[in-house]
Amino acid sequence: EDQVTQSPEALRLQEGESSSLNCSYTVSGLRGLFWYRQDPGKGPEFLFTLYSAGEEKEKERLKATLTKKESFLHITAPKPEDSATYLCASISGTASKLTFGTGTRLQVTL
Amino acid sequence: DVKVTQSSRYLVKRTGEKVFLECVQDMDHENMFWYRQDPGLGLRLIYFSYDVKMKEKGDIPEGYSVSREKKERFSLILESASTNQTSMYLCASSSKDPQYFGPGTRLLVL
Repeated sequence: EDQVTQSPEALRLQEGESSSLNCSYTVSGLRGLFWYRQDPGKGPEFLFTLYSAGEEKEKERLKATLTKKESFLHITAPKPEDSATYLCASISGTASKLTFGTGTRLQVTL
Repeated sequence: DVKVTQSSRYLVKRTGEKVFLECVQDMDHENMFWYRQDPGLGLRLIYFSYDVKMKEKGDIPEGYSVSREKKERFSLILESASTNQTSMYLCASSSKDPQYFGPGTRLLVL
């Protein structure tokens, strides 16, 4: 059975303090690894898809990377508006079903 | 932009009531999904559909049914609501990858 584990559960950063969120996965035949952002009381918002080890994607202050066992979401010089829960999910083979981690709750303070 | 809409943001129902949650997408996606999200448990797949009138059980289908009469619309039905179905319900749609989510319906069953 596919498994996705995210760490840490919660992270508090000061504005400008860069850090990384981790997503470890155990998936047979990974087809894709996804990152979403979720604000309180709202649905997840798609950020990135990574398909193969070594791939990187960037958007503003966020960069996602993928290895054969884990993915990282690097946040460079975060701002308070980056505060949210970040979800990681995997999908394998020809499946339609995503396997989600439980998320990292990020708080960025002034 | 992909748009997934859900019929209600908040809903309060009584135990035993029949509850309908509706989801509409405007991107002509083949696949549609219903998840529930609970603290500490993450997102869990209830049902999904890969075509009109087709449905597949997800991880937690008990107590739920679905209907897909038109490609753009996917309904989740709680036949007889129970207090343990109090949750955030999220609809998603996709062509292949990624899945795009709606804003969610927070359901309280009293």
